[in-house]
Amino acid sequence: RKEVEQDPGPFNVPEGATVAFNCTYSNSASQSFFWYRQDCRKEPKLLMSVYSSGNEDGRFTAQLNRASQYISLLIRDSKLSDSATYLCVVRGQAGTALIFGKGTTLSVSS
Amino acid sequence: EPEVTQTPSHQVTQMGQEVILRCVPISNHLYFYWYRQILGQKVEFLVSFYNNEISEKSEIFDDQFSVERPDGSNFTLKIRSTKLEDSAMYFCASSEAGNQPQHFGDGTRLSIL
Repeated sequence: RKEVEQDPGPFNVPEGATVAFNCTYSNSASQSFFWYRQDCRKEPKLLMSVYSSGNEDGRFTAQLNRASQYISLLIRDSKLSDSATYLCVVRGQAGTALIFGKGTTLSVSS
Repeated sequence: EPEVTQTPSHQVTQMGQEVILRCVPISNHLYFYWYRQILGQKVEFLVSFYNNEISEKSEIFDDQFSVERPDGSNFTLKIRSTKLEDSAMYFCASSEAGNQPQHFGDGTRLSIL
């Protein structure tokens, strides 16, 4: 089983739409969870950390379900500038290494 | 906003040669990392470095690779006897602590001919 799995997409949505991405991880001992975004041929940029209670940052909402080993990202009122690849990222229990999913591609059109 | 800087942005090298990729982490960060991303694939962890020693490394980080903090600001990745399959984007990252979010530089594209 892959360590971090994501639906690769692409998700093609119009401006203003709400879109949700899901991710599952295999290591139940994982301690930290993040969403990064990556534009084409650029570096990953931290979008938000994901907390057990769920957290929101403007139009972005992240949820974590430890029992199901499942992470989600909801984007409301999509903008053209949201077009990117969204990376689900997990850090293990004792280590520092980040384990990346392959990413989900979002394309927002006008 | 402070950022991680990497040089060069693109390195072209003949197979079998040695390359050194350079990074300047964010100044108050204590943990440093190297990742790579082969074109079309996911980002992969190589190594983490803290207090002047390797704290964790992946199976990819074999004897061909080494890291160094030669002075108070630079963090380098050396790849010896480069192979075609070493062609990738190499990202440096840093964090304040081992459990804090990691911030990435804009990468060095390494092309092995």
